Amino acid sequence: DGGITQSPKYLFRKEGQNVTLSCEQNLNHDAMYWYRQDPGQGLRLIYYSQIVNDFQKGDIAEGYSVSREKKESFPLTVTSAQKNPTAFYLCATHRMGSAEKLFFGSGTQLSVL
Amino acid sequence: GENVEQHPSTLSVQEGDSAVIKCTYSDSASNYFPWYKQELGKGPQLIIDIRSNVGEKKDQRIAVTLNKTAKHFSLHITETQPEDSAVYFCAAIRGMDSSYKLIFGSGTRLLVRP
Repeated sequence: DGGITQSPKYLFRKEGQNVTLSCEQNLNHDAMYWYRQDPGQGLRLIYYSQIVNDFQKGDIAEGYSVSREKKESFPLTVTSAQKNPTAFYLCATHRMGSAEKLFFGSGTQLSVL
Repeated sequence: GENVEQHPSTLSVQEGDSAVIKCTYSDSASNYFPWYKQELGKGPQLIIDIRSNVGEKKDQRIAVTLNKTAKHFSLHITETQPEDSAVYFCAAIRGMDSSYKLIFGSGTRLLVRP
């Protein structure tokens, strides 16, 4: 997956619980993104970060939170406020100067118990 | 804002036949159109792209065509092989410095029958 590691591969959430998805990259890229993928739908942007200590909401940020304390890491927390969290979550990054060409991690499947 | 529609949602072809997936976009200012391939349990991977100043681009068995007037672009896969079976996503973006503005189609599940 080109130096982007997502973990865990599968994650289960109980009602009212917050869970955190990990995304790590060793590509020295500044920009990182989180997408949500539902069956039969395209990828929808949750949050993105173009530099350390800064991040912006995407189209479906409600019920999610992120942090960007290190260049290599961009964890996503799915909070209890997200009422329909079951989905495949994808982290992505891109090379400097090629902002339109995303490299994706292998994804995390989140399900509700 | 931009809206991208993709058809068909599923496509089944015999090995060796051609496959065509079509997308339409709404923002006439969009100028970059990538295609991603997603294999089961993996993240999408960029397979080919086209910019608005080009009408067609080929890379071995895959090609993409763009009709700016009609605002649609298509992915063509010739001589399909079982390993082409995957979900394919088109996308459109306005500008080259902002991936966060990528708008994806809903995906096409391609099945190549041996």
